Amino acid sequence: SYELTQPPSVSVSPGQTARITCAGDALPKKYTYWYQQKSGQAPELVIYEDNKRPSGIPDRFSGSSSGTMATLTISGAQVADESDYYCYSTDSSGYPLFGGGTKLTVL
Amino acid sequence: EVQLVESGGGLVQPGGSLRLSCTASGFTFSSFWMHWVRQAPGKGLVWVSHINSDGSRTRYADSVKDRFTISRDNAKNTVYVQMNSLRAEDTAVYYCARALNYDAPPRHWGQGTLVTVSS
Repeated sequence: SYELTQPPSVSVSPGQTARITCAGDALPKKYTYWYQQKSGQAPELVIYEDNKRPSGIPDRFSGSSSGTMATLTISGAQVADESDYYCYSTDSSGYPLFGGGTKLTVL
Repeated sequence: EVQLVESGGGLVQPGGSLRLSCTASGFTFSSFWMHWVRQAPGKGLVWVSHINSDGSRTRYADSVKDRFTISRDNAKNTVYVQMNSLRAEDTAVYYCARALNYDAPPRHWGQGTLVTVSS
């Protein structure tokens, strides 16, 4: 079955750039979406259609996609950005799925 | 402001049934696809099901197909998921979410309701 693969964890120091990847064979033809989930809270959409930011999302969050890999980049990461991040896309038939999630640590 | 409020969660025995509801406000409910997403304790997000704006099209994750049924009542601004033949592995927080647009992924999320399947 189709999978979206994310690293389990990423760690950066405050002010550094954090990059979280999402790999999937269908990504060249499908959009990637990114969600942030802080502990005990509902997820929040931070990037849609590969590289667009919803209103209210700081511009330090950006997204890109190339080939079978999509990347969420957090420039100048802050302690407040510590969260779990999930990518979301669909397989070739439109079946939706999330990646396994990446825990971002900023310290 | 978009608001989604889930209800109906609780403790149910294996093999039992439960119906979750999600009442929406702050937008034209009948214009948007709706999703259910779940998260087992300490685990990641799992897409469960979605339904189109008039209720004529639905889709399910393989893990719940033939056991769960999604539906909506646009007059009541409410989306439902009927969950039958529940298993321990269905234990999770269930989130209702509104699509970004048309058949797009979730944009706005409720706070979730916990379903525990245990004897």
